[in-house]
Amino acid sequence: GESVGLHLPTLSVQEGDNSIINCAYSNSASDYFIWYKQESGKGPQFIIDIRSNMDKRQGQRVTVLLNKTVKHLSLQIAATQPGDSAVYFCAENSGSSYKLIFGSGTRLLVRP
Amino acid sequence: DAGVTQSPTHLIKTRGQQVTLRCSPKSGHDTVSWYQQALGQGPQFIFQYYEEEERQRGNFPDRFSGHQFPNYSSELNVNALLLGDSALYLCASTAGTDTQYFGPGTRLTVL
Repeated sequence: GESVGLHLPTLSVQEGDNSIINCAYSNSASDYFIWYKQESGKGPQFIIDIRSNMDKRQGQRVTVLLNKTVKHLSLQIAATQPGDSAVYFCAENSGSSYKLIFGSGTRLLVRP
Repeated sequence: DAGVTQSPTHLIKTRGQQVTLRCSPKSGHDTVSWYQQALGQGPQFIFQYYEEEERQRGNFPDRFSGHQFPNYSSELNVNALLLGDSALYLCASTAGTDTQYFGPGTRLTVL
């Protein structure tokens, strides 16, 4: 069946360090992947996306890597800040579907 | 701010009651999706509306229904509420196949 999951439920990092959040997906037909950040009491906030014809995409302090061979997605956050503390979700979508399939999320805690 | 708005922010209902949640999409967006997010879990797709029609539906019972208006805003209706319907209900809007942007959600508590 379809699933998007995360390897680590909680990640604790020191302020200023780099963070890496991982995600595995099982639907080989998925061709669009998104990372969302969700702070307590708020809706998911778009961070960055990547399509299956790319391996890497960079934004401001964030980089998403896609490895289609092993169906793995990662989000790298450079120089992690206290404001980065939140739950991060990866989501996937296939061209034949309109829905996003979310994983269960990884909580990122930034230590001062 | 993504520009998607939802109302109300919080809602408390009792079992068996009916509830209506509302969503206004971001300016320029014509497609609205609804998701249910249980505590500690990722959002689960309920359905998507486009051109005032339900275009795709997730694995939710018929108690969950929706509507989209000509101005692209949308409503989610849930009948015969169960305790398990307690969740954060999220609305997301998009245009075409672009990224879905989420609203702040409505927290529904069923007692």
